[in-house]
Amino acid sequence: QSALTQPRSVSGSPGQSVTISCTGTSSDVGGYNYVSWYQQYPGKAPKLMIYGVTRRPSGVPDRFSGSKSGNTASLTISGLQAEDEADYYCCSYAGGYTWVFGGGTKLTVL
Amino acid sequence: EAQLVETGGGLIQPGGSLRLSCAASGLTVSSTYMSWVRQAPGKGLEWVSVIYSGGTTDYADSVRGRFTISRDNSKTTLFLQMNSLRAEDTAVYYCARGGEGYSWDYWGQGTLVTVSS
Repeated sequence: QSALTQPRSVSGSPGQSVTISCTGTSSDVGGYNYVSWYQQYPGKAPKLMIYGVTRRPSGVPDRFSGSKSGNTASLTISGLQAEDEADYYCCSYAGGYTWVFGGGTKLTVL
Repeated sequence: EAQLVETGGGLIQPGGSLRLSCAASGLTVSSTYMSWVRQAPGKGLEWVSVIYSGGTTDYADSVRGRFTISRDNSKTTLFLQMNSLRAEDTAVYYCARGGEGYSWDYWGQGTLVTVSS
């Protein structure tokens, strides 16, 4: 149950696009199409942004999109806005009724 | 308003026990899986445990044998019994509802557990 690997920080200017990667193994990210992404503001609970690799829950802006290639999943945020500044976590089902999270990425909007 | 509310956190000495509760209101939790996820101060999220509607449970290796997840018969309240607590168990503990695609679609506000002498 090793944590998925995410960059510790990414940044971008308003209107730009940023991509956050999430690297696992064939036992988690690569083995299942069950990657989800969460946004978390300081002191607040996480919020689901993407599930099933590419699907957006109702109410999440279409600026947020997900993808996967092999053992690496990605979250892309286009048209960056100041309110997108937060921590982002990926999570993958890892089989056998277990899950694994990434270490988290701090997004800074310049 | 749909919400999950955790209670039961606090300061506990190493080796002690604590029981967390998570009450659901305004949303259905009886027919889906529920989990506990924790976050140590300044750290990332860590999946802790899951319970399915049929009663199947599983745990992260870091808590297996010390923590027990359960739910009441009405399946509206989730519990986490934590025994043999260690300093490294210090964290905010969130309960979360299982959603589509093995995701977590509703989260509580969290309850802080501090293990210290």
